[in-house]
Amino acid sequence: AQKITQTQPGMFVQEKEAVTLDCTYDTSDQSYGLFWYKQPSSGEMIFLIYQGSYDEQNATEGRYSLNFQKARKSANLVISASQLGDSAMYFCAMRGGNSGGSNYKLTFGKGTLLTVNP
Amino acid sequence: DVKVTQSSRYLVKRTGEKVFLECVQDMDHENMFWYRQDPGLGLRLIYFSYDVKMKEKGDIPEGYSVSREKKERFSLILESASTNQTSMYLCATILGASYEQYFGPGTRLTVT
Repeated sequence: AQKITQTQPGMFVQEKEAVTLDCTYDTSDQSYGLFWYKQPSSGEMIFLIYQGSYDEQNATEGRYSLNFQKARKSANLVISASQLGDSAMYFCAMRGGNSGGSNYKLTFGKGTLLTVNP
Repeated sequence: DVKVTQSSRYLVKRTGEKVFLECVQDMDHENMFWYRQDPGLGLRLIYFSYDVKMKEKGDIPEGYSVSREKKERFSLILESASTNQTSMYLCATILGASYEQYFGPGTRLTVT
């Protein structure tokens, strides 16, 4: 069974500063994928970034980067230069196994509520 | 512009009613998913479907059933709604090179 742990229920950061949101995972699969989603107060789930278990480099998407440490089973999200619009709930998720069929399903963590202060 | 639509944003039903939540996607993907989201619990998978008329239980299927008669439509059914099914329900399908899930806007269901 797969498990995602997000240990920070809430985080605060000053505008323009960087922030790291923690995520650890547990799986027996050799091949897996890790995702981060953002959910603003409006409720929609927005895909941010993806890291494959065999990717040698950390994923980056604009101000988002994923600090992937495979041996530690961690996949922390780093947001650089925080903006007020980054205030939202952030979810870490995992997809296990090879592609196809039931292996597309995701296991989510409980989320971290990020508040960016002006 | 890709779309996943859900039949209602807000829904109020009474205990014991049969409730249908519908999800339609225009991405022509085989996979569709239903999650519920509760504060402090994150998203939990109820059911998913990987082909028309094919379905598989997720982590919390009790009290729910699903129907997928056409590729674009995936319905979640609460046979006899109960107050503990008050929640946000999110539908998703697959999009993109990373096979990330693309979500609909959600239905906030209240069972009184």
